[in-house]
Amino acid sequence: KAGVTQTPRYLIKTRGQQVTLSCSPISGHRSVSWYQQTPGQGLQFLFEYFSETQRNKGNFPGRFSGRQFSNSRSEMNVSTLELGDSALYLCASSENRLANYGYTFGSGTRLTVV
Amino acid sequence: SQQGEEDPQALSIQEGENATMNCSYKTSINNLQWYRQNSGRGLVHLILIRSNEREKHSGRLRVTLDTSKKSSSLLITASRAADTASYFCATDEVGTDKLIFGTGTRLQVFP
Repeated sequence: KAGVTQTPRYLIKTRGQQVTLSCSPISGHRSVSWYQQTPGQGLQFLFEYFSETQRNKGNFPGRFSGRQFSNSRSEMNVSTLELGDSALYLCASSENRLANYGYTFGSGTRLTVV
Repeated sequence: SQQGEEDPQALSIQEGENATMNCSYKTSINNLQWYRQNSGRGLVHLILIRSNEREKHSGRLRVTLDTSKKSSSLLITASRAADTASYFCATDEVGTDKLIFGTGTRLQVFP
């Protein structure tokens, strides 16, 4: 069974640009959550999608958005990039919203904003 | 803001020794989970303990949960160099279905 796939693995962008990250969950998993990881703030919850609907959102500005498609694949978008957006972005999937069995994480996308 | 605080922030031990990490959290939870992360890669789920459980074992891992103190501990017995990683607790908050991660403990196991 394939794991959670995140693309691209690495990305370098310039301030002011926008970026789209992709996450393909494990087959059959309908919940996808996104996290931002930085040395200073640790793992911060961005948002969760289930059945194409955003169910939860963390404390991030509106520049951070996402969506989920009917095949459960998810994308997150960051517009007007700032230097502080440099981070490892992690996607996690689970069978349902209750995370009763734990999340499966992808390897992440490392975004560098210059 | 993060839910959990972990202690210690860093831990260095020799192979064969036991490693204990502690996690404290702030609100009511459905369950508490522990994850391992190697070198800034994705997190790997280790073990989940529900709010009505007090102790759980999985191989060399032992997790305890004290909901009255809002704390949990992860014990790794007979540690190996391959256990070197960062370990995070994560809490599933009641009513939000949101998994919130702690600050993590960096474990270094020397051969």
